[in-house]
Amino acid sequence: DGGITQSPKYLFRKEGQNVTLSCEQNLNHDAMYWYRQDPGQGLRLIYYSQIVNDFQKGDIAEGYSVSREKKESFPLTVTSAQKNPTAFYLCATMNDRYSDNTGELFFGEGSRLTVL
Amino acid sequence: AQKVTQAQTEISVVEKEDVTLDCVYETRDTTYYLFWYKQPPSGELVFLIRRNSFDEQNEISGRYSWNFQKSTSSFNFTITASQVVDSAVYFCALSEAPAGNNRKLIWGLGTSLAVNP
Repeated sequence: DGGITQSPKYLFRKEGQNVTLSCEQNLNHDAMYWYRQDPGQGLRLIYYSQIVNDFQKGDIAEGYSVSREKKESFPLTVTSAQKNPTAFYLCATMNDRYSDNTGELFFGEGSRLTVL
Repeated sequence: AQKVTQAQTEISVVEKEDVTLDCVYETRDTTYYLFWYKQPPSGELVFLIRRNSFDEQNEISGRYSWNFQKSTSSFNFTITASQVVDSAVYFCALSEAPAGNNRKLIWGLGTSLAVNP
């Protein structure tokens, strides 16, 4: 099946621990994104990557880190520096290779992180 | 400043009612795209529609219809004869012309729709 796979779907973490959320895609899309969703706050951009070995901070990058070693993979690490990490995390891709790129995003099913 | 406003935080209707979700946007660009996404309780956002700034034709897809009016900077979404399965959070988003190869979406805060039997 073509699509975006996020894992784990649910994750519990103790305070002070780092945790890594996986995002894998087989859509052959160049651009990948991580969003955080909190109740009443919509989607906020954490990091994005438009090409392998390159990524940019979004609006709320503090306390997070990413890597883009392969086109298919864009893991997000929630570090202990993130003050309030409990949230729903969504990974998305965009096919921005062509001149008629419209900005349409394709989403994974999300990962729900709870800090105990 | 670029902005998307969904003034309705929550809407509750009874099944078979029609419901309209409002979306107002702000942008300086003349070329842009507008989107609606649906987020059911399962969490995954599902693409519903894309409209570019040069196409003001209204669109109908089954029970869904969209009214794009540049004069009022609005892109409203109507569900006709709502069903329980329409219960979800609906997001409106704006994508502007890219600077280089950098295109990002600007999101509204979403409208939570509850359709009750």
